[in-house]
Amino acid sequence: DAGVTQSPTHLIKTRGQHVTLRCSPISGHKSVSWYQQVLGQGPQFIFQYYEKEERGRGNFPDRFSARQFPNYSSELNVNALLLGDSALYLCASSGLPTGTGANVLTFGAGSRLTVL
Amino acid sequence: GQQVMQIPQYQHVQEGEDFTTYCNSSTTLSNIQWYKQRPGGHPVFLIQLVKSGEVKKQKRLTFQFGEAKKNSSLHITATQTTDVGTYFCAGAYNFNKFYFGSGTKLNVKP
Repeated sequence: DAGVTQSPTHLIKTRGQHVTLRCSPISGHKSVSWYQQVLGQGPQFIFQYYEKEERGRGNFPDRFSARQFPNYSSELNVNALLLGDSALYLCASSGLPTGTGANVLTFGAGSRLTVL
Repeated sequence: GQQVMQIPQYQHVQEGEDFTTYCNSSTTLSNIQWYKQRPGGHPVFLIQLVKSGEVKKQKRLTFQFGEAKKNSSLHITATQTTDVGTYFCAGAYNFNKFYFGSGTKLNVKP
């Protein structure tokens, strides 16, 4: 069974550019969450999607957007990149919807973004 | 706003010594989870606590959830070099999105 897969694993962009990160959840999981992890800090919540609908949004600017597709895979888009966007972007899938109290997150290996 | 604080930031121990990390929230949590992240890796789920005063054990690891559901701790007995990594707590409010603590980086000297 494949776990959570993310692509690309590493990428380098320059300020002002746009980036798209992709995530495929565990087969059968319908919920995908995105987190940003800056070096030395804990993951910060960006978005959660369940059944293709946005179920939660963290404190991130509108430059950050995401969507979930019918096959439950997801994309995270970041526009007008800033140096401070350099981080590890983690995708996590879970099998249950929000509010159930059993929303265990299974993380992918992440996409490491460097903005120059 | 909602925030989960975690201490200490770093802990260096000799192999065989015990280790404890603490998480605290100013408001009541619905549930809390603990994750371990190895150097260069991604967070891996360890356990979830839901009930007030709950205590769970996994071999040498003991997890506690406070009576008021505002704090939690992870205690490792007799650390081993395989315990090296950063331990994160992640607290939720209304069982919704999780707020991660800043993590405690554990280093174990053989």
